Amino acid sequence: NAGVTQTPKFQVLKTGQSMTLQCAQDMNHEYMSWYRQDPGMGLRLIHYSVGAGITDQGEVPNGYNVSRSTTEDFPLRLLSAAPSQTSVYFCASRGRWGAETQYFGPGTRLLVL
Amino acid sequence: TQLLEQSPQFLSIQEGENLTVYCNSSSVFSSLQWYRQEPGEGPVLLVTVVTGGEVKKLKRLTFQFGDARKDSSLHITAAQPGDTGLYLCAGSTSGSARQLTFGSGTQLTVLP
Repeated sequence: NAGVTQTPKFQVLKTGQSMTLQCAQDMNHEYMSWYRQDPGMGLRLIHYSVGAGITDQGEVPNGYNVSRSTTEDFPLRLLSAAPSQTSVYFCASRGRWGAETQYFGPGTRLLVL
Repeated sequence: TQLLEQSPQFLSIQEGENLTVYCNSSSVFSSLQWYRQEPGEGPVLLVTVVTGGEVKKLKRLTFQFGDARKDSSLHITAAQPGDTGLYLCAGSTSGSARQLTFGSGTQLTVLP
């Protein structure tokens, strides 16, 4: 199993550009999440999904969209990039029951100029 | 918004020393997890504690969940350079989504 994969690993955008961060998992997990990590602030939840076709907002959803058309994929879209969105983005997945292990992808480092 | 405060934020110690990292909140969590993250990688789960007062040991690491399920600690005995990394605690609440709230992390450096 590849686990959780993310592409791209690095990206530089200009203010106002849009892009999609890709996330895929091959563990048949129902729960998937997107976090951003900034220095001194831990990981903050952007959006999450409890299954295909179901998404919800996390702590910091503004400026981001998500969709979940399949169990495997959970892309994160930046509609109009801003310098405040410079961060490291992590996708994670876990199963449904109990205190399941959450598996993280390797991250995407995004710089918005 | 539930907050988890970790202390200390930075910790630099010599190989062989012991250390404790704390994770505190005013909220009650149904479970608490500890992760370790290395540069350029995603966090990796170390342990999950679910019962108030629970103590779990993982080799030289000892994890404790507070009786009231509001706080937790991570104790490392005889730290080694390989323990260097960012340690994150994360609390989960009950409910269907059970999303995690992360602490800000403790950056540990163990010097040889």
